[in-house]
Amino acid sequence: NAGVTQTPKFQVLKTGQSMTLQCAQDMNHNSMYWYRQDPGMGLRLIYYSASEGTTDKGEVPNGYNVSRLNKREFSLRLESAAPSQTSVYFCASSEWDRDGQPQHFGDGTRLSIL
Amino acid sequence: QKEVEQNSGPLSVPEGAIASLNCTYSDRGSQSFFWYRQYSGKSPELIMSIYSNGDKEDGRFTAQLNKASQYVSLLIRDSQPSDSATYLCAVNTGSQGAQKLVFGQGTRLTINP
Repeated sequence: NAGVTQTPKFQVLKTGQSMTLQCAQDMNHNSMYWYRQDPGMGLRLIYYSASEGTTDKGEVPNGYNVSRLNKREFSLRLESAAPSQTSVYFCASSEWDRDGQPQHFGDGTRLSIL
Repeated sequence: QKEVEQNSGPLSVPEGAIASLNCTYSDRGSQSFFWYRQYSGKSPELIMSIYSNGDKEDGRFTAQLNKASQYVSLLIRDSQPSDSATYLCAVNTGSQGAQKLVFGQGTRLTINP
């Protein structure tokens, strides 16, 4: 049972390049989330999906897009990477969304934008 | 004023003692509160949730909530070196699910053998 799987684990991009962060969960969870974590900032919600077919903006959505491809997969796309998007990105899932709390996290993607 | 505030630490506690981690929040309408543990270089893991005033115990962990004073705390009894981690407080400040879940910046806890 893999839980939440994120790919890639590390990535270095140049300013202006695009890329997609992949996330998949095998727990049949309805809700999925994308967070970023910067030093001293805690976790900030980028986008989330309460169920298959729905997505909503979080606290810091600018510069990102998401796709809830199916119940298992939730991808995050950076269309034109900027140095301010250097961060650690976590995907998470939860069985229910009553309080919005993510239950299971992936291992994270460490992204550097040069 | 930040919506959810934690002392960033580091908080240093001797092994076997009680570690006390505190979190304050600004929205009086907040209804649900969570604690996450994050080891260095790892992802967060949900360890406690609390919804009502008072104490909630789970093993060596006790979450305390005081809505009147707008604080939530986490006590770790018989602290072990394996408890050394950053602890994140998260507060749901509304009724709109994930959009209203705000994380504090975390408190780094070190347990000294």
